[in-house]
Amino acid sequence: DAKTTQPNSMESNEEEPVHLPCNHSTISGTDYIHWYRQLPSQGPEYVIHGLTSNVNNRMASLAIAEDRKSSTLILHRATLRDAAVYYCIPWNAGGTSYGKLTFGQGTILTVHP
Amino acid sequence: DTAVSQTPKYLVTQMGNDKSIKCEQNLGHDTMYWYKQDSKKFLKIMFSYNNKELIINETVPNRFSPKSPDKAHLNLHINSLELGDSAVYFCASSRRTSGITGELFFGEGSRLTVL
Repeated sequence: DAKTTQPNSMESNEEEPVHLPCNHSTISGTDYIHWYRQLPSQGPEYVIHGLTSNVNNRMASLAIAEDRKSSTLILHRATLRDAAVYYCIPWNAGGTSYGKLTFGQGTILTVHP
Repeated sequence: DTAVSQTPKYLVTQMGNDKSIKCEQNLGHDTMYWYKQDSKKFLKIMFSYNNKELIINETVPNRFSPKSPDKAHLNLHINSLELGDSAVYFCASSRRTSGITGELFFGEGSRLTVL
């Protein structure tokens, strides 16, 4: 499994953009980059995923470096509800590893009103 | 309607007891999982089932036995509970045939405390 490095914690103010970085320098060419988040006392929640191109969905944007060794999750306007632990997870969906998400320490995001 | 539901949400029991946690999903998914989150908040997969067949078993002690009576249910039975089994257990589901979307849907978790 590719190793990831994320800041232990980050802070933001409400309504401001947040950029959550992740280094995954050992990622393989076929690994997708997934982001999940875990709100307090809840199960993890899928946020977004990508392979090489930048991706947008209703929750966030994902910017992937050209060499794929890092990526950044972008929350365009943070709300209090976005306070959570964010996990960056390289994942190869092939074979028997399907669904085997390897969660690291993640980044604790605090959003101030 | 809750997509992935687990019962019970909280479970406090004595060492040596046997207990079960139930999981049901109403998403029509064909793959279900059990994940464990320990006291240090690390989440790790334990098992996965696809169409009632065991796919992943991550060197979990034999005291843990998952049972999938049908595609919508995956229960976790734990024998001879030990203090180290105290954790939050999350059930999840996904559609294996959806390709590489990688979207797992997790339940809210079942907090097990062994005294």
